[in-house]
Amino acid sequence: QSALTQPASVSGSPGQSITISCTGTSSDVGSYNLVSWYQQHPGKAPKLMIYEGSKRPSGVSNRFSGSKSGNTASLTISGLQAEDEADYYCCSYAGSSTYVVFGGGTKLTVL
Amino acid sequence: EVQLLESGGGLVQPGGSLRLSCAASGFTFSSYAMSWVRQAPGKGLEWVSAISGSGGSTYYADSVKGRFTISRDNSKNTLYLQMNSLRAEDTAVYYCAKGVVPAAIMAFDIWGQGTMVTVSS
Repeated sequence: QSALTQPASVSGSPGQSITISCTGTSSDVGSYNLVSWYQQHPGKAPKLMIYEGSKRPSGVSNRFSGSKSGNTASLTISGLQAEDEADYYCCSYAGSSTYVVFGGGTKLTVL
Repeated sequence: EVQLLESGGGLVQPGGSLRLSCAASGFTFSSYAMSWVRQAPGKGLEWVSAISGSGGSTYYADSVKGRFTISRDNSKNTLYLQMNSLRAEDTAVYYCAKGVVPAAIMAFDIWGQGTMVTVSS
C-alpha cells in the first residue's frame, strides 16, 4: 500500500481537462510544499512534470499545472492530447524519518 | 547533454549482493543530490535512497535500511548502490535520478534508463 493515495485511473476526451488527486497526511503533503508529479509512458523512465507543488520544469507544457489544498495535491491537465495518455505519479517529502513517499500511480486514458 | 547511465543489474540469488553504478555527464555532478528509485514489475515507483552532493548525508527507505548503502565518487561522476542481503521483493528496475535543485532529494528532473535487478533462486 502506497503512502500517498491516487485514483487508479482517470479518463478524458481530447481537448478536455482532467485532474488527478494525491492524498497524503499532515506528515507529508500537508506539511510541505514539496510535491512533485511524474509522467511515465510504458517501458520508459519517468519524466518530471511539476515540482515544489506548482513549478514547471523548462520544456514542460503549460497545459500541466499543480496545486494543493490541505493534505491533497492535484495535477490538472488541460486541453488533453493523445500523447498525454500515460501513468502519473505524485511524490512528496515526508520529513526527516520517512523522507520521500510516492503515490500508487494513476493511469490516464485519452478516449 | 545531461545524462545518467546505470549499470550492474542482473540475476542474483536471495541473500546475495549486487552493486549498481550510475555514470553522470553533462552537469556539475558534485553540486546535486542524487537518488535511487525502483519499480517492481507492473508496480509503482518506490524511493529507495538519496545522497547529498558532497556525500556527507545519506537517506534510506525503511525497506532497505541496513541492507543497502548509497555512495558517490565525485571525481568519477558516479553514483553507487551496494545491495546486500537481497530478497525477492527487491526485484525491480532501479533508476538513478538527479535532484531538480541541488539539495532536492524528493524531486528528480533527470532519470537514467534503469537497470533490472532480479532476485531469484
